[in-house]
Amino acid sequence: SAVISQKPSRDICQRGTSLTIQCQVDSQVTMMFWYRQQPGQSLTLIATANQGSEATYESGFVIDKFPISRPNLTFSTLTVSNMSPEDSSIYLCSVETRRGGTDTQYFGPGTRLTVL
Amino acid sequence: QKEVEQNSGPLSVPEGAIASLNCTYSDRGSQSFFWYRQYSGKSPELIMFIYSNGDKEDGRFTAQLNKASQYVSLLIRDSQPSDSATYLCAVNSGGGADGLTFGKGTHLIIQP
Repeated sequence: SAVISQKPSRDICQRGTSLTIQCQVDSQVTMMFWYRQQPGQSLTLIATANQGSEATYESGFVIDKFPISRPNLTFSTLTVSNMSPEDSSIYLCSVETRRGGTDTQYFGPGTRLTVL
Repeated sequence: QKEVEQNSGPLSVPEGAIASLNCTYSDRGSQSFFWYRQYSGKSPELIMFIYSNGDKEDGRFTAQLNKASQYVSLLIRDSQPSDSATYLCAVNSGGGADGLTFGKGTHLIIQP
């Protein structure tokens, strides 16, 4: 499976500021996704990061709050804008590869964000 | 709206026994089903996937799928303390362009 890295691994931010999270993959992948895992909760899909076009957002997530870039097939960024304490979560990127006839997703190590 | 349901547990199983984890899903169009293991403070790790009705075995793990009942399960044989983790069931509607819908996870504890 692909090797996925995320930066930063964790951060503590002040309310009202923005943070950009980077996701880097060691091989070209078509599909990349961003998820959020709130404390004690499961994963929720934020958006699909599309290379060369705008990201596709899930219900409840908007581009102004979570702008996403995907400049090439190995890199994506997620920005959490105008942060509030409710944005404190783990943010994970995932990549999709073909394995055993099925599209499977593998996750990066995550970015733990605390907003004060 | 797609939903994936799991018993949150904790599910406590003695070492060496079989752990059985269950998951139901609402979307009949779902095509692929995944089990992820997540240790505390770590990201999810894929351990099994299945897309055809029946059983699929990989080492100590067996995934079972029943599309008619919209039911997926994971069996862990010869449970080890290192299997103690949260197990997340995830569903994909297929097509290669969809993200995953996750259940809330089952916390499994293997008692030595």
